[in-house]
Amino acid sequence: EAGVVQSPRYKIIEKKQPVAFWCNPISGHNTLYWYRQNLGQGPELLIRYENEEAVDDSQLPKDRFSAERLKGVDSTLKIQPAELGDSAVYLCASSLVDIFSEQYFGPGTRLTVT
Amino acid sequence: AQSVTQPDIHITVSEGASLELRCNYSYGATPYLFWYVQSPGQGLQLLLKYFSGDTLVQGIKGFEAEFKRSQSSFNLRKPSVHWSDAAEYFCAVGARASKIIFGSGTRLSIRP
Repeated sequence: EAGVVQSPRYKIIEKKQPVAFWCNPISGHNTLYWYRQNLGQGPELLIRYENEEAVDDSQLPKDRFSAERLKGVDSTLKIQPAELGDSAVYLCASSLVDIFSEQYFGPGTRLTVT
Repeated sequence: AQSVTQPDIHITVSEGASLELRCNYSYGATPYLFWYVQSPGQGLQLLLKYFSGDTLVQGIKGFEAEFKRSQSSFNLRKPSVHWSDAAEYFCAVGARASKIIFGSGTRLSIRP
């Protein structure tokens, strides 16, 4: 069984530029999560989807961040424009049912904003 | 508000020695508790979880954790560590209809 796939693995951009991250969850997993992990910290939830619906986006900075999960499968997280403080690892995870099913994490995208 | 504290930023133990990683949580109701491991360049992997029942929980890779309500703790243990256990370990807490909150992690190094 393939795991959670994320691309790109690494991204370096200048501030004020846009950037997008892509995630393909494990087949059949209804719930998808985007986390941000700052250096030396644990992951922080940005947004959670149940199928196509964003059920928790309270921590998503909506002025510059957006996300979508079309058809309830793949998801894209976008930042526009990026700021220096957005440098972090962006993790995607999926789970079979709800937040307390085991979450399977992808390897993450390391974003560096210069 | 719920929170998780992992007081040890970095721990070094000798291979074959026992290990205990500390985790303290703050939550008003009975929490759901998790331990995840993150190896370099890898995603997080669930080691074990506690929802209810027996307070001593067995996980993968020989790890166990004990839920102590009176101490608000959920410490992770392993009787004998292997070099492959070197990684970052995260404790997390959550509850029904609520998101999971992760601690800041403990980096484990293994001394040959």
